[in-house]
Amino acid sequence: GESVGLHLPTLSVQEGDNSIINCAYSNSASDYFIWYKQESGKGPQFIIDIRSNMDKRQGQRVTVLLNKTVKHLSLQIAATQPGDSAVYFCAENGNSGYALNFGKGTSLLVTP
Amino acid sequence: NAGVTQTPKFQVLKTGQSMTLQCAQDMNHNSMYWYRQDPGMGLRLIYYSASEGTTDKGEVPNGYNVSRLNKREFSLRLESAAPSQTSVYFCASSEERQVQQYFGPGTRLTVL
Repeated sequence: GESVGLHLPTLSVQEGDNSIINCAYSNSASDYFIWYKQESGKGPQFIIDIRSNMDKRQGQRVTVLLNKTVKHLSLQIAATQPGDSAVYFCAENGNSGYALNFGKGTSLLVTP
Repeated sequence: NAGVTQTPKFQVLKTGQSMTLQCAQDMNHNSMYWYRQDPGMGLRLIYYSASEGTTDKGEVPNGYNVSRLNKREFSLRLESAAPSQTSVYFCASSEERQVQQYFGPGTRLTVL
């Protein structure tokens, strides 16, 4: 079946550096992509989303890039802070239109 | 405004026991979802309810039943728990058929 996957399971960055988390998807029918942040012991929190008719979208300290040609999604976090340490999931809406398919997650560790 | 709430937070069951996980949202959302999250994995959709009165199977529905009690509440029932159902269960809600979902804090279930 269709799947959403991540290139790296863990990422360690120094405080103040920029972080890039990557995600590959395989369902060409997906037209909506979301990044979630999950802190230990909590539910996922929405970070940013992007529709398939866009290549880039910026939020506060975060940017999502979408490359539909190679079915690749990335999340860039500027000036990474200790509070950014969490697991990050990409998700796409697949064939259902609104039920989400999640990737396995990337653990981001920010070191001082 | 509590958002999405789930009870209980933790539960230990013996194989064969039954239980119901409760979920409620106060955001007046029409759509609600149940996911499970296993260690090192993303979230997998169990069931969802696009609107009050409707429910649909997700990726991993076997061994579960759901009830959309009213617009606010969506429960998940395990009729005969199995060790393979040990997981963290998340409930989520969204505007009707909208992709951005809001998650509860989760229920950590262990089946012995």
